[in-house]
Amino acid sequence: NAGVTQTPKFQVLKTGQSMTLQCAQDMNHEYMSWYRQDPGMGLRLIHYSVGAGITDQGEVPNGYNVSRSTTEDFPLRLLSAAPSQTSVYFCASSYGGTGGYEQYFGPGTRLTVT
Amino acid sequence: DQQVKQNSPSLSVQEGRISILNCDYTNSMFDYFLWYKKYPAEGPTFLISISSIKDKNEDGRFTVFLNKSAKHLSLHIVPSQPGDSAVYFCAASDLGGSEKLVFGKGTKLTVNP
Repeated sequence: NAGVTQTPKFQVLKTGQSMTLQCAQDMNHEYMSWYRQDPGMGLRLIHYSVGAGITDQGEVPNGYNVSRSTTEDFPLRLLSAAPSQTSVYFCASSYGGTGGYEQYFGPGTRLTVT
Repeated sequence: DQQVKQNSPSLSVQEGRISILNCDYTNSMFDYFLWYKKYPAEGPTFLISISSIKDKNEDGRFTVFLNKSAKHLSLHIVPSQPGDSAVYFCAASDLGGSEKLVFGKGTKLTVNP
């Protein structure tokens, strides 16, 4: 199993540009989530999904969109990039429900917005 | 308002000694707690967890203790090894489920040879 994969690893955007961060998992996990990590801030939840077709907002959802058309994929879209979105983005997945609470994380995407 | 707090940004210990990382929480609805370890340029990896119905969980060199009345948990690493040097995050989940973890800011552990 590849686990949770994220692409790209690095990205530089100009203010106002849009892009999609890709996330995929091959563990048949129902739950998937997106976090951002800023220096000294820990990880903060952006959006999450409890199954295909179901998404909801986390703590810091503004400026981001998500969709979940398949169990495997959970892309994160930046609509109009801003310097405040410079961060490291992590995707995670878990079994959910009675299957356990542990989330498995991808390697991250480091995004810089200039 | 920070619901999960790790008040020590860093900790340095000698190889072979015990490392104790602390975490406090404010939300009484949290019922499951996890510790993650993170190396630079990698994603966090799950280390150990504890349910609110327990006060201790052990896995090899790692033990997590939970004091519900004090809303406090700690991670003990015995003996500490240089490879344990990393940032450790405390995280919590409420009855809503595992898709919404709330993380502390992390503690950077350095184990000196």
